[in-house]
Amino acid sequence: DTAVSQTPKYLVTQMGNDKSIKCEQNLGHDTMYWYKQDSKKFLKIMFSYNNKELIINETVPNRFSPKSPDKAHLNLHINSLELGDSAVYFCASSPIKVYNEQFFGPGTRLTVL
Amino acid sequence: RKEVEQDPGPFNVPEGATVAFNCTYSNSASQSFFWYRQDCRKEPKLLMSVYSSGNEDGRFTAQLNRASQYISLLIRDSKLSDSATYLCVVDTGRRALTFGSGTRLQVQP
Repeated sequence: DTAVSQTPKYLVTQMGNDKSIKCEQNLGHDTMYWYKQDSKKFLKIMFSYNNKELIINETVPNRFSPKSPDKAHLNLHINSLELGDSAVYFCASSPIKVYNEQFFGPGTRLTVL
Repeated sequence: RKEVEQDPGPFNVPEGATVAFNCTYSNSASQSFFWYRQDCRKEPKLLMSVYSSGNEDGRFTAQLNRASQYISLLIRDSKLSDSATYLCVVDTGRRALTFGSGTRLQVQP
């Protein structure tokens, strides 16, 4: 039983393309997140949603647009991909009252050529 | 200055050794502290919370020094399976976690 799942696991694409990454959690959590882990291994918060409502948007370029159709899903759409977008993107979820106990998905390794 | 700083390592230790990692944080308003573990090419997972009084979970002991803004993790009797990157994590109360870049541990037979 996968708790937090992401698709695809690997994504290789050309500069300028538009791509989406999907995330689903079956833990019944109210809060979901997107993180970016770059080549230096820093894991940085990008977005946080609570019950489909945007809570945190950490100075991410507006080429990145999260979409939460319901509280179990938080998808990430990226327009006009750039070389610097290459990274591993992790989705995570947490209970609303224990937001510091986060459960991460397996990650999506994005490579922009 | 980074919000959370860690020595990247790697720390190469033999099985059975005791190893300690340190972490410093810059925001004195930080409220909660954690250690997460990340295996190579895997997702981070919560290892343990860090309390002011210190806490222990089996071979792992975490301590917090608020005055010095310093967090530590001690691993006793290292196992091969402890090899991973250990991420120091701070909650500054913004409903988001700030992660350090991690300290890599390699336990050798």
